[in-house]
Amino acid sequence: SQQGEEDPQALSIQEGENATMNCSYKTSINNLQWYRQNSGRGLVHLILIRSNEREKHSGRLRVTLDTSKKSSSLLITASRAADTASYFCATDEETSGSRLTFGEGTQLTVNP
Amino acid sequence: DAGVTQSPTHLIKTRGQQVTLRCSPKSGHDTVSWYQQALGQGPQFIFQYYEEEERQRGNFPDRFSGHQYPNYSSELNVNALLLGDSALYLCASSAGLAGTDTQYFGPGTRLTVL
Repeated sequence: SQQGEEDPQALSIQEGENATMNCSYKTSINNLQWYRQNSGRGLVHLILIRSNEREKHSGRLRVTLDTSKKSSSLLITASRAADTASYFCATDEETSGSRLTFGEGTQLTVNP
Repeated sequence: DAGVTQSPTHLIKTRGQQVTLRCSPKSGHDTVSWYQQALGQGPQFIFQYYEEEERQRGNFPDRFSGHQYPNYSSELNVNALLLGDSALYLCASSAGLAGTDTQYFGPGTRLTVL
């Protein structure tokens, strides 16, 4: 079953703009991970945020986690055409033992 | 350092046939998980192997089975293929079962069932 729900399902922006994607989940988690997928290929790990962390940065990526609201957001700043991909959040539930539950993903299109 | 590798890249089978997909985990990882991703969907957890045993299983029928070898590599077997088994099959590796580490995914095997 899908735990995470990404919002929006699709997002189209111009190069240089910021892109924000949101993820909501239902149960207590160990961590939440964001992945990128290009054209149905393998998943590329972007960032992991643990349940006791509130914000994390990696290059142009900023992830926040609000465990009280069971939600997370991924911000990509100064987007590039190469950022065009599907983005998934995946939760590692407390009782799951490193089993990831994915949402449906957000399709991001960055127009040059 | 090689990441997670999977073979084959693509596979075409007909209904009723059997298929075996292979995965080698990232160096230093001992846990392998398999996911099925249908077109336009997020990946769905199939099962997880650790110390050569199936540790967790998702909501998949017994037609889906697996194996892990002493070198931590893993196989996914699917019997009596159905059209609905057409999907991208992803392997992920991690270290241990603590649930605190990043999972790294391979490039996937695209299975088409005709």
